[in-house]
Amino acid sequence: DTAVSQTPKYLVTQMGNDKSIKCEQNLGHDTMYWYKQDSKKFLKIMFSYNNKELIINETVPNRFSPKSPDKAHLNLHINSLELGDSAVYFCASSQARGAVTEAFFGQGTRLTVV
Amino acid sequence: DQQVKQNSPSLSVQEGRISILNCDYTNSMFDYFLWYKKYPAEGPTFLISISSIKDKNEDGRFTVFLNKSAKHLSLHIVPSQPGDSAVYFCAANGDGGATNKLIFGTGTLLAVQP
Repeated sequence: DTAVSQTPKYLVTQMGNDKSIKCEQNLGHDTMYWYKQDSKKFLKIMFSYNNKELIINETVPNRFSPKSPDKAHLNLHINSLELGDSAVYFCASSQARGAVTEAFFGQGTRLTVV
Repeated sequence: DQQVKQNSPSLSVQEGRISILNCDYTNSMFDYFLWYKKYPAEGPTFLISISSIKDKNEDGRFTVFLNKSAKHLSLHIVPSQPGDSAVYFCAANGDGGATNKLIFGTGTLLAVQP
């Protein structure tokens, strides 16, 4: 009974393609995130949604577009994939804003662009 | 501009001994700190946290110490067990929960030798 689940776990695709990564959480949390872990192991936030509202949008190329159909889902669409997009992408969720609470992470999606 | 630093990429400890993982930060606005543990091919899992109003927080074998004047925190694991072998990430938050955005260090790989 996975709390934060993301699919697929592995994704290999060619440059220029468009791909999506899906994320769902069953914890009843209001806030969801996308983090990226690059080849240097830096884990950096990309986006955050609270109740379907975008609250964090770091300096990310506009080829990346998050979509939140409801507060339990936050999908990541990537257009015109580039070699540098290869990384592990983690979805996470946490309880409502207003107090710092720990985030729960999915297992990650390893994206390889060839 | 790396605001959270873990200067030791790896640490090896004998089973039963103490493991000490260190983390430094530069942003004095950070007021909440968390430690995450990550196994290969899994997402980070929350371990322990500490608010800047405290200097110590303990949970079983895990204790986090915070030295605000030195902008330094450490995670002590005692006694260390082989199952503790993982990558440990230090993370910080500085917006009082407004977004729950976490700034992560690059991680320290802990190897506990039987």
